[in-house]
Amino acid sequence: AQSVTQPDIHITVSEGASLELRCNYSYGATPYLFWYVQSPGQGLQLLLKYFSGDTLVQGIKGFEAEFKRSQSSFNLRKPSVHWSDAAEYFCAVVDSSYKLIFGSGTRLLVRP
Amino acid sequence: SQTIHQWPATLVQPVGSPLSLECTVEGTSNPNLYWYRQAAGRGLQLLFYSVGIGQISSEVPQNLSASRPQDRQFILSSKKLLLSDSGFYLCAWSEQGSTEAFFGQGTRLTVV
Repeated sequence: AQSVTQPDIHITVSEGASLELRCNYSYGATPYLFWYVQSPGQGLQLLLKYFSGDTLVQGIKGFEAEFKRSQSSFNLRKPSVHWSDAAEYFCAVVDSSYKLIFGSGTRLLVRP
Repeated sequence: SQTIHQWPATLVQPVGSPLSLECTVEGTSNPNLYWYRQAAGRGLQLLFYSVGIGQISSEVPQNLSASRPQDRQFILSSKKLLLSDSGFYLCAWSEQGSTEAFFGQGTRLTVV
């Protein structure tokens, strides 16, 4: 069965510092991968997605993610974090029935 | 453009009372519809999904049920709430054959 692992429950970075959130997936074929962001008490917003092609994908709000098949990873990055980036981030993979399977999430805290 | 509405935003219900959460989508036809639950400090768990009117698939056995009486309406129900039903419930939709899902703003349910 498909699964997604986000090994970091919490991450704290200083404003202006770079960010990398880790995501590992388990899927037999080429996966469809997503990163979503959730602000407190809100729904989820799609940051970016990978279906095929270029393994480095650009998203909204200055985020990017790199698909690495050899490592079964799809890590999210941002070169300079802003205080408004504080939120919870979810990695997800689509299974063979087109259902989204989410990781447990990583909560990002930003120090002033 | 497509929009998704979910209500109520917050709900406090006593144990043993019934539940009805409603989700409607506008601007699209025959969408896939999903109910997710997010428990405190945990990721998103897929509860139900539907590919058409009257077609409901349950992902986990539980105290909840779902119905789709109309093409763009998805209802989450319970006859008798348990304390463990507390959480943040998210409705989502996607186009048929598409992997990208769009989320509502969520309902915070507290069972007391």
